[in-house]
Amino acid sequence: ETGVTQSPTHLIKTRGQQVTLRCSSQSGHNTVSWYQQALGQGPQFIFQYYREEENGRGNFPPRFSGLQFPNYSSELNVNALELDDSALYLCASSLGSNTGELFFGEGSRLTVL
Amino acid sequence: AQSVTQLDSHVSVSEGTPVLLRCNYSSSYSPSLFWYVQHPNKGLQLLLKYTSAATLVKGINGFEAEFKKSETSFHLTKPSAHMSDAAEYFCVVSQYGNKLVFGAGTILRVKS
Repeated sequence: ETGVTQSPTHLIKTRGQQVTLRCSSQSGHNTVSWYQQALGQGPQFIFQYYREEENGRGNFPPRFSGLQFPNYSSELNVNALELDDSALYLCASSLGSNTGELFFGEGSRLTVL
Repeated sequence: AQSVTQLDSHVSVSEGTPVLLRCNYSSSYSPSLFWYVQHPNKGLQLLLKYTSAATLVKGINGFEAEFKKSETSFHLTKPSAHMSDAAEYFCVVSQYGNKLVFGAGTILRVKS
């Protein structure tokens, strides 16, 4: 059984650019959630995908968007990057959209210069 | 809206002594509460989950937490700390579904 994997692990972008982060969910899990963790803070919920549909969103602007594919893997896209977007982006998968029992990847650390 | 407050940003204990990490919650209804742990350069891992079945919840690695409605608390404890327990711990409340609201975290240091 493979766990949640994320890529890339680290990346550096400049303000105004766009970034795509990728996540492979744990085998058998049909739900993926994305969280943003700024330095020294707890993770904040961005959105969740269940069976390829977004079914929950946190307080993030529309330039944060995502996709879930038929194999339940997922992408997080961020357009028009801002300095404050620098953070660790965490992907989590779960079996079902309402358990709270999430399995997290190790994250993608994004630095915006 | 649901929220959690972790009362200590850092806790330091000696190996073999008890651990107490404090968390208060705010919720307009009976909450689902969790503790997650984050080891350096590792993904967050679920320690335990409370969903009203029992007020004392046992988790992995000898941790447990007690839900006290009268005090709106959900403190995490362990009788005897081990060096491998050094990590950051997050108290979490579920707002809906898998939308989790994390506390600011408590960094646990274990001294030999």
